[in-house]
Amino acid sequence: RKEVEQDPGPFNVPEGATVAFNCTYSNSASQSFFWYRQDCRKEPKLLMSVYSSGNEDGRFTAQLNRASQYISLLIRDSKLSDSATYLCVVKLRGAQKLVFGQGTRLTINP
Amino acid sequence: EPEVTQTPSHQVTQMGQEVILRCVPISNHLYFYWYRQILGQKVEFLVSFYNNEISEKSEIFDDQFSVERPDGSNFTLKIRSTKLEDSAMYFCASSVVGDTEAFFGQGTRLTVV
Repeated sequence: RKEVEQDPGPFNVPEGATVAFNCTYSNSASQSFFWYRQDCRKEPKLLMSVYSSGNEDGRFTAQLNRASQYISLLIRDSKLSDSATYLCVVKLRGAQKLVFGQGTRLTINP
Repeated sequence: EPEVTQTPSHQVTQMGQEVILRCVPISNHLYFYWYRQILGQKVEFLVSFYNNEISEKSEIFDDQFSVERPDGSNFTLKIRSTKLEDSAMYFCASSVVGDTEAFFGQGTRLTVV
């Protein structure tokens, strides 16, 4: 089983739509959770950390369900500039390495 | 805004040659990392470095690889004898402490021919 699993997509949605991504992780010792975005041939950029109580940053909302080992990202009122690959990332307790999912590709269409 | 910088942006090398990839982490960060991404694949952890020594490494990081912090600012990844399968994007990253988010440099695209 993959350590971090994401639907690779691609997701094609119209501008202004709401889109949701899901991610599951296999290791219950996972302690820290993040969403990064990656544009084509660029570096991963931190979008937001994911907290146990769920958190929101503008149009972006992240949720964590530790019991189901499941993380989600919701993007509201999507913009053309949201087109990217979204990476689900976890860090195990006591470890420094980030474990990446394979990413979900999103294209926002005008 | 402080950022991680990497040089060169692209390096082409012949199989069997040694390469050194360079990184300048964010100045107040204490943890430094190398990751790689083979084209079309996910980002993979190579090594983490703290207090002038390797703190964690993956199976990929074998004897062909080494890291060094030769001075107060640079952090380098050396590949001793490159193979075709080493062709990838190599990302340097840094974090304030070990359990917080990491910030990535723009990457070095390594092409082994």
